[in-house]
Amino acid sequence: EAQVTQNPRYLITVTGKKLTVTCSQNMNHEYMSWYRQDPGLGLRQIYYSMNVEVTDKGDVPEGYKVSRKEKRNFPLILESPSPNQTSLYFCASRATGTSGYEQYFGPGTRLTVT
Amino acid sequence: GNSVTQMEGPVTLSEEAFLTINCTYTATGYPSLFWYVQYPGEGLQLLLKATKADDKGSNKGFEATYRKETTSFHLEKGSVQVSDSAVYFCARNSGSARQLTFGSGTQLTVLP
Repeated sequence: EAQVTQNPRYLITVTGKKLTVTCSQNMNHEYMSWYRQDPGLGLRQIYYSMNVEVTDKGDVPEGYKVSRKEKRNFPLILESPSPNQTSLYFCASRATGTSGYEQYFGPGTRLTVT
Repeated sequence: GNSVTQMEGPVTLSEEAFLTINCTYTATGYPSLFWYVQYPGEGLQLLLKATKADDKGSNKGFEATYRKETTSFHLEKGSVQVSDSAVYFCARNSGSARQLTFGSGTQLTVLP
């Protein structure tokens, strides 16, 4: 089954404790992206990657890091989480060169930073 | 920059009512336009899309027409069902298609 998976689905942590949210896709997509969803703000893009070893900032990159060492994986790293990073996070992927550029989303990771 | 303005919710309708959710976008470049749906506890799923002016996207009884003259992409359904209860997001991609910009989302609740 074609899918984007994220782990963990739920995470409660404390300020300053480094964490990683994993994202993996099995569709051989070149493009991957991370979003955060906050009430009244819709989804905002954090980082995206056009291919292996190619990453770029989205609209809200502060406080986040990413890496793209393999095509299928795109982890999101919070080196020193803060309470304002409490949010619902989505990973997405799509093929490049596809008309309409449909993105496929993972199920989401709900992060709470206390 | 790119932006999407979406009708604020929440919207509550009775089953079989007509639905319209308004969406307008900034007219920079030649974006593709999308409607995504998010059911409770799930990720976003593509509902429909349109890639150029005057295209009509349709799926599951939902429709939206890419109107360049009014920079709009309103979502419509003639007869909603309880199972349509979800959050609906309008979105556009950037000119290079590297970024997807979302509206704030509209919560729809359909009552039996």
